[in-house]
Amino acid sequence: ETGVTQTPRHLVMGMTNKKSLKCEQHLGHNAMYWYKQSAKKPLELMFVYNFKEQTENNSVPSRFSPECPNSSHLFLHLHTLQPEDSALYLCASATSGSYNSPLHFGNGTRLTVT
Amino acid sequence: AQKVTQAQTEISVVEKEDVTLDCVYETRDTTYYLFWYKQPPSGELVFLIRRNSFDEQNEISGRYSWNFQKSTSSFNFTITASQVVDSAVYFCALSEVGGATNKLIFGTGTLLAVQP
Repeated sequence: ETGVTQTPRHLVMGMTNKKSLKCEQHLGHNAMYWYKQSAKKPLELMFVYNFKEQTENNSVPSRFSPECPNSSHLFLHLHTLQPEDSALYLCASATSGSYNSPLHFGNGTRLTVT
Repeated sequence: AQKVTQAQTEISVVEKEDVTLDCVYETRDTTYYLFWYKQPPSGELVFLIRRNSFDEQNEISGRYSWNFQKSTSSFNFTITASQVVDSAVYFCALSEVGGATNKLIFGTGTLLAVQP
């Protein structure tokens, strides 16, 4: 089983819909992350969780709502999104408390907002 | 402010050519870590290498090699005898030290296309 699994792989939603992205890691990590990848831009860190507690919210609009019920699962709840929110959303996990710990990424969810 | 610059947006080479991907970083930290990731069309970022700021030895792993030069704040990546399977977007990243977790600051990536 792959280390970090994201579902769904693709999602198309209207601006009034509510949907959720799911991430699960099987690596025994305690830190989990959401990154946004838009065309021609660096990966943008959105949220960080450490032992289920949110430690970083990088000025993300409230239409994105993360949830981390345990160290293995991370969700991103989406509502009333805008077309500019269309992007690849990547989940990652890492060993907590170690700056040399590489982040392990999932395959991402390709989101299209119509 | 911490920043990673990958000036090469796209590179196209023919199979078996050598190719170097450039990475320049800015940081005020004295201890930091640098990373390279590969993103194939499937989307997943694959970790390739990590280097800490105190270790300036170059590293070689098969056809891959990395040249870390603190004096020029560069961490370049060379693929020798490139293959079609090397086609991907390559990202350089810098650890942002501080807080309880490792946070990576990424460059914009270099799209490498290896033609048969």
